Amino acid sequence: DAGITQSPRHKVTETGTPVTLRCHQTENHRYMYWYRQDPGHGLRLIHYSYGVKDTDKGEVSDGYSVSRSKTEDFLLTLESATSSQTSVYFCAISEVRPGGQETQYFGPGTRLLVL
Amino acid sequence: SQQGEEDPQALSIQEGENATMNCSYKTSINNLQWYRQNSGRGLVHLILIRSNEREKHSGRLRVTLDTSKKSSSLLITASRAADTASYFCATDPGGGADGLTFGKGTHLIIQP
Repeated sequence: DAGITQSPRHKVTETGTPVTLRCHQTENHRYMYWYRQDPGHGLRLIHYSYGVKDTDKGEVSDGYSVSRSKTEDFLLTLESATSSQTSVYFCAISEVRPGGQETQYFGPGTRLLVL
Repeated sequence: SQQGEEDPQALSIQEGENATMNCSYKTSINNLQWYRQNSGRGLVHLILIRSNEREKHSGRLRVTLDTSKKSSSLLITASRAADTASYFCATDPGGGADGLTFGKGTHLIIQP
């Protein structure tokens, strides 16, 4: 699992409340990612990070923000949760091999239910 | 939008049979990867095939890549009950670590 943990693993919240999900890695990987997984959509990239304080938007970034103040932690924040953000959220790290081949390793996921 | 599309969406076979899943993609790639996801778990990397490779093996897994058709197949030989999972292809356009683009997956069920 490449030393990746996510917290919380499960969360139920109400519409309009802020929510922060945490991804923690122990192996000093530079690249980190947040995905959401929904039935019929597969995994979709929300935000990613190239390093401390260096982040960029993915395919479905609206309604989400991220922060990376330390190499080991990548935080995903839903500023005002909506029911459409009910999903399973996965964090991933990336290893880029010589030649530019990128392989990703995933955390266990966080199940978020927005009522 | 999804880059990879797996086919079929679901597949059920008997233990011991071979399972074949297909993936089609739309744009040029640096490599294509296959991942497995057991129920309630994160994705696990299985195998990577570079754009200049046509076939690759890893244990009971065989992956082919046809860049002219923009398609790939994953073959699992001598299937086992433990192979029951969802399988996803992911494409890497190359050029760094911008992230992979995943398909919607094939759900494979191995009947004992």
